[in-house]
Amino acid sequence: AQSVTQPDIHITVSEGASLELRCNYSYGATPYLFWYVQSPGQGLQLLLKYFSGDTLVQGIKGFEAEFKRSQSSFNLRKPSVHWSDAAEYFCAVGARYGNKLVFGAGTILRVKS
Amino acid sequence: GAVVSQHPSRVICKSGTSVKIECRSLDFQATTMFWYRQFPKQSLMLMATSNEGSKATYEQGVEKDKFLINHASLTLSTLTVTSAHPEDSSFYICSASGGNTDTQYFGPGTRLTVL
Repeated sequence: AQSVTQPDIHITVSEGASLELRCNYSYGATPYLFWYVQSPGQGLQLLLKYFSGDTLVQGIKGFEAEFKRSQSSFNLRKPSVHWSDAAEYFCAVGARYGNKLVFGAGTILRVKS
Repeated sequence: GAVVSQHPSRVICKSGTSVKIECRSLDFQATTMFWYRQFPKQSLMLMATSNEGSKATYEQGVEKDKFLINHASLTLSTLTVTSAHPEDSSFYICSASGGNTDTQYFGPGTRLTVL
């Protein structure tokens, strides 16, 4: 069965601190992995994606994620969090073209000053 | 590039009426569009997948006669909530993929409130 687990429902970090959001997946074929961010009342914005190649991918807004096949993980990281990063983050897995995505439950990031 | 719009952003309607939500891909041809529903503080639940020119494929538990989906062109898909009831109140989000894009790009969502 295809599934995505984001074990942390809420995370609070101080502004300027580093951040890691966890994502584990289960997928029967070659996984294509995505991280999206959603601000309150808004749609989803793509942060980054991994299809193949270098397992460390860079995204927008200073985010990066590392694909670890052996651990079935695709954790999102940022070295220094800004207050504007407060939002909800979704990890998703799917096929590469035209196929539906399976989303994790999301992690709400709070940033304290 | 890869911009998806939704209209309206918010709609309030009376119980029993029908509401149409539009999803447009503005700068690419969307061979596939997806409709999601998101309840407060929950993740996205896929409702249906539509390919241009063919009938939508609905997920288990989603009533196809209640949530009518039309994908008549490569840039437009519509979701019509028929005979809406308060329990249909939710945040509806569409996404689109296709052409040279191998990623789903999401619209900004539509907040539906049924009184």
